[in-house]
Amino acid sequence: EIVLTQSPATLSLSPGERATLSCRASQSVGSYLAWYQQKPGQAPRLLIYDASNRATGIPARFSGSGSGADFTLTISTLEPEDFAVYYCQHRRTFGPGTKVDI
Amino acid sequence: EVQLAESGGGLVQPGGSLRLSCAASGFTFSNYWMSWVRQAPGKGLEWVANVRHDGVARHYVDSVEGRFTISRDNAKNSLYLQMNSLRVEDTAVYYCARVQGEYDVGDVWGKGTTVTVSS
Repeated sequence: EIVLTQSPATLSLSPGERATLSCRASQSVGSYLAWYQQKPGQAPRLLIYDASNRATGIPARFSGSGSGADFTLTISTLEPEDFAVYYCQHRRTFGPGTKVDI
Repeated sequence: EVQLAESGGGLVQPGGSLRLSCAASGFTFSNYWMSWVRQAPGKGLEWVANVRHDGVARHYVDSVEGRFTISRDNAKNSLYLQMNSLRVEDTAVYYCARVQGEYDVGDVWGKGTTVTVSS
């Protein structure tokens, strides 16, 4: 069973800064890695699939990279609405999440 | 507009049963795998079950195998989750999600329905 580890657990940044979130798999998952954003009281929203493809309607400031076992979600310039929890996923496994807060 | 809307959550005693529903609209429901994902209070996301577009193939997380049954009615554009022998640890918000591609990526999510298992 694949285990996903996300780091850091919490990322404290300010609007306008760059955010770099990491997701590491216990074994290679190829490029089959997705990223979601979840705000309090809301459902998750798909951001990135297949490691680097932005989902429909996702702003270009969100980008994904990586393959094999190491993946990164980058938010180039944080907007106020980007403060949320971010989860990575491979198939039926989710990572524990990274909270991006101010 | 593509939408999913869950219903059927509520308060139930341990050992009880509940049936969740998810109404789909704005897309051809019968073309997609569908999933249930849950989130316990203050916790992360946990994949629960999925079902193939024809309803034949189904998969479950180990912790619900034998207690939960996922099903669908393509004529009614609806997804279901029958939950039996409920446990306190099943308490969560339950989301239905449309699956994109072959790797359980949820590209459309409902707002969720809350299940509380407590005596």
